[in-house]
Amino acid sequence: EIVMTQSPATLPVSPGERATLSCRASQSVGSELAWYQQKPGQAPRLLIYGGSTRATGIPARFSASGSGTEFTLTISSLQSEDFAVYYCQQYANWPPWYTFGQGTKLESK
Amino acid sequence: QVQLQESGPGPVKPSQTLSLTCTVSGVSINSGGYYWNWIRQHPGKGLEWIGYIYYSGSTYYNPSLKSRVTISLDTSKNQFSLKLSSVTAADTAVYYCARAVLHYFTSWGQGTLVTVSS
Repeated sequence: EIVMTQSPATLPVSPGERATLSCRASQSVGSELAWYQQKPGQAPRLLIYGGSTRATGIPARFSASGSGTEFTLTISSLQSEDFAVYYCQQYANWPPWYTFGQGTKLESK
Repeated sequence: QVQLQESGPGPVKPSQTLSLTCTVSGVSINSGGYYWNWIRQHPGKGLEWIGYIYYSGSTYYNPSLKSRVTISLDTSKNQFSLKLSSVTAADTAVYYCARAVLHYFTSWGQGTLVTVSS
């Protein structure tokens, strides 16, 4: 099993600030990493796939980078609607055993 | 636009089998290139992939759940289903169905809470 570790668990930020979220894999996943946003009572929403490609309709303030075992999601200027929990997910395993990080919660400072 | 909707009979008693159905609209589950998944989220916790079925009928399951999981297709109804046997309280969770492209999840159902309780 590839273990995904996200940090920090909680990130206090103010609207307009930049937020940087980290995700580390216990072994290399290449670029086979996705990021999701989840708001209370809602299903997760795909933000990023392939390590750095924004999904359809995702604003340009969301960017991501990394490969191998270290990944970063950056939100350049936080909007009120961005306060949510963010998960990373690897899909590199074969046979498949897709795993998620435990999440980073963005909260208002 | 693809839409997914989970449905199920409600609370489940310990040792029984949990059964859920995902109804897909906007795309045929027979069309290739998509993987039809079940994912769960324990209350207040993170996400756990349960397994997927491909349009061909091939399945893969999370090894930690494999002995209890069955995912199947009903192409006549454009649905796919989850059965999880011998449930315990630890299986109480929100269950999501989701479509994957190249194994990242592009579309999700709204989720359904399944409670295991006597």
